[in-house]
Amino acid sequence: GESVGLHLPTLSVQEGDNSIINCAYSNSASDYFIWYKQESGKGPQFIIDIRSNMDKRQGQRVTVLLNKTVKHLSLQIAATQPGDSAVYFCAERTGGYQKVTFGTGTKLQVIP
Amino acid sequence: GAGVSQSPRYKVAKRGQDVALRCDPISGHVSLFWYQQALGQGPEFLTYFQNEAQLDKSGLPSDRFFAERPEGSVSTLKIQRTQQEDSAVYLCASSPGRWGTDTQYFGPGTRLTVL
Repeated sequence: GESVGLHLPTLSVQEGDNSIINCAYSNSASDYFIWYKQESGKGPQFIIDIRSNMDKRQGQRVTVLLNKTVKHLSLQIAATQPGDSAVYFCAERTGGYQKVTFGTGTKLQVIP
Repeated sequence: GAGVSQSPRYKVAKRGQDVALRCDPISGHVSLFWYQQALGQGPEFLTYFQNEAQLDKSGLPSDRFFAERPEGSVSTLKIQRTQQEDSAVYLCASSPGRWGTDTQYFGPGTRLTVL
């Protein structure tokens, strides 16, 4: 079936650098996307979301970009900090329904 | 304020035993979800409640899995005759409304190990 996936399983970045985490999705009917952060031993934590009628959305130190032409989603973290070390998941919802489909995750390691 | 809580945090069961996992959602939240997360994988949807009504149970892997939310607040996920492949973290999430764009708030999960 159609699913959400990620290009890179692990990403290492230097503290203070910007991080970019990528995600490819295949369900063209998806109209809402979410990025979650999951720290060890904890549940996923909402970071930022974007609707399919938008290309870009910014939050505090984070930006999500959506390219519907190539079905690609990215999360940019500015000035990465040690506290950003975690696994990041992209996820999608389809048609206003509550069910969320998660990708496999990218582990972000911040090097002090 | 209090977030979503789950108990127990860890559960070890022998194969064939029945287990019950509890979820206390954020007070007043209408929607409640259960997910299963295998090691190194993203969470996978199991079932969804809107108040006490189970509107979607399409993700439950087999008829050994059963979930309920009788009073529209606390929910229990029951697994009968546990198998080794049931070993995973079971996550519960709640959201305030019925709409697909409501933020889901996750609990810490219950790690189930079946020996």
